[in-house]
Amino acid sequence: GAVVSQHPSRVICKSGTSVKIECRSLDFQATTMFWYRQFPKQSLMLMATSNEGSKATYEQGVEKDKFLINHASLTLSTLTVTSAHPEDSSFYICSAQDRASSGANVLTFGAGSRLTVL
Amino acid sequence: AQSVTQPDIHITVSEGASLELRCNYSYGATPYLFWYVQSPGQGLQLLLKYFSGDTLVQGIKGFEAEFKRSQSSFNLRKPSVHWSDAAEYFCAVGGRIGNEKLTFGTGTRLTIIP
Repeated sequence: GAVVSQHPSRVICKSGTSVKIECRSLDFQATTMFWYRQFPKQSLMLMATSNEGSKATYEQGVEKDKFLINHASLTLSTLTVTSAHPEDSSFYICSAQDRASSGANVLTFGAGSRLTVL
Repeated sequence: AQSVTQPDIHITVSEGASLELRCNYSYGATPYLFWYVQSPGQGLQLLLKYFSGDTLVQGIKGFEAEFKRSQSSFNLRKPSVHWSDAAEYFCAVGGRIGNEKLTFGTGTRLTIIP
């Protein structure tokens, strides 16, 4: 079945530094990838929708300059948390839709990335 | 705007007992409905989905869910839970073709007692 790899699974960084999280579709091409943020014991909040070759669409309240999303190929999207601060500490999860099944609305989720900002 | 309500934050059941997790949705048209399971520190795994047709859908791990349009509900059930079912369960609603954005409920944490 479809597999989405997310890397790193855990990252600890100092306040003020930038962190990049990768989301790869391993055995399919993803026209669209979604980035979610999950606070402890809470639901997933959609941050942005990433389309290959175009700018990401951010949800209301999500800072575009803070959370840079790049979807340079059909198998890779990256989320860069710039100038990270402790309040950015969270669990970030990506999901991808198989290009071959567009319209079927079936997403495959990565295992998530735990970001801790000291 | 679409929304999902999972009224139960935490449910505890005995191993072998039956389970029902509630989910109510709000959507302007016929929705796509999903149940996902998340183990601690992990991503989400799709349990089952409803797009159309038979309103009782079967999923993996012995789970099933029933779509009831009149009640705007999509409750998840399992006749006999196993200790390995302990996890967080999320109901989600999405649009039809061209709108793959999912809205998740707040989740229900399931604890299994021996």
